Formats: sequence, C-alpha cells, structure tokens
Amino acid sequence: SAVISQKPSRDICQRGTSLTIQCQVDSQVTMMFWYRQQPGQSLTLIATANQGSEATYESGFVIDKFPISRPNLTFSTLTVSNMSPEDSSIYLCSVFKGASDEQYFGPGTRLTVT
Amino acid sequence: ELKVEQNPLFLSMQEGKNYTIYCNYSTTSDRLYWYRQDPGKSLESLFVLLSNGAVKQEGRLMASLDTKARLSTLHITAAVHDLSATYFCAVQAYSGAGSYQLTFGKGTKLSVIP
Repeated sequence: SAVISQKPSRDICQRGTSLTIQCQVDSQVTMMFWYRQQPGQSLTLIATANQGSEATYESGFVIDKFPISRPNLTFSTLTVSNMSPEDSSIYLCSVFKGASDEQYFGPGTRLTVT
Repeated sequence: ELKVEQNPLFLSMQEGKNYTIYCNYSTTSDRLYWYRQDPGKSLESLFVLLSNGAVKQEGRLMASLDTKARLSTLHITAAVHDLSATYFCAVQAYSGAGSYQLTFGKGTKLSVIP
C-alpha cells in the first residue's frame, strides 16, 4: 500500500497569488500524478511527475500555470500560479504501485480562490 | 483519446434492492479500477480488475471486466444506506515513456433510501 499526505489540506487564496501544494509518500514510487477535481465533477489529470524527467502535462494544462517539482521518489510539489476563481478545486496527488497494480490517492487540497 | 462513460450518473435505490453501474471505455485496456468517494473525502480503492473475465467481490459489491466488450460492471446486492457515495470507474492506458495514466468516468452518485 501507500500512505500519501498533502499540505495544506485546504486554503483560501486571493486572486493573482500562487499556492504550492506538497505531496509526501511513505514509500518510494516512480509514477506520481496530480489531478484536479472541480466541485461536483470527476477527476482530471493535470500532469504526470515521474522522478528523473520533466513533468508531462495534459491538454489544457501548462507548466507556467502549474509548475511541478519532483526532487526525489517520495515527494512532489504542485504550484497553482496567478490564481483565479476558476482554479477553485480539489487538487489530489496520486501514485501508482506497480507491485500491486494499485493507484492510491492523497487526501486532497481544497483550494478556494476569492 | 481514451473516453470512459459511466451510467447511470445518479442512482437512487431502496435498501435491500439490487442494481448495476456500467462503465464503458473506448480503447483497449487491461486495467480497470473502481473507487468510492464520500462527500468531502478522497478516493478509496475498491477493486482493480486486470484481465478479461476478472470478477472481484467485497461485501455487497461485485465488479467484473469484459475487455472484449470494453465494459465493466459494479453490481450492488441488497443495498444498505452505508453504500451511499459516489462511485468512479477509471481505465488505465499507456501514456508513453514507460508511464501509465488513469482516465476517469464522470462518477455515479448513489443514494440508498431506507
């Protein structure tokens, strides 16, 4: 299994500011992902953050808006830059464990932009 | 582009009744996941289905996978109120450079009524 923690758990931010979300995993993982879940919606993949390579962004998400760091096999950060109210969402960190074929999700960071 | 369709999106059931949630996907995949999400919570893994004909059961929930039909089902037997939640199916696909990603359905919001 994998235990994932995220910081902060929630935040209220002003338009135009940036927020960095941290994701910590209790074991080493190669594949780490960042998802967004807008209110009442499903999950959308923002980017894949594999250690040792640049993050790969999905259509509609760009590095300038959502820069990601992956300094080691247990940690990653996602920054939401120059925020607008449309960025209000839950941001979830996720990891894939090949040994069990399981994909685990962190508790999420609930972001509100005013 | 992989598309994942769930139906129904909303389901209101009486306690003690049976029902099935369907998950169709558009391209070949051998890995399908079912998750449960309670309001304000993260995703809880229910089942990982890895091969054609796979069937897994846990309590009142049973999931199956037909890779030829690109269809998975989540069957609920004798529903109880505690099963009220949103259920997501997610399909894994190879995304290149040795990485995989999950694409989610829109979710089925289940309400079990006494």
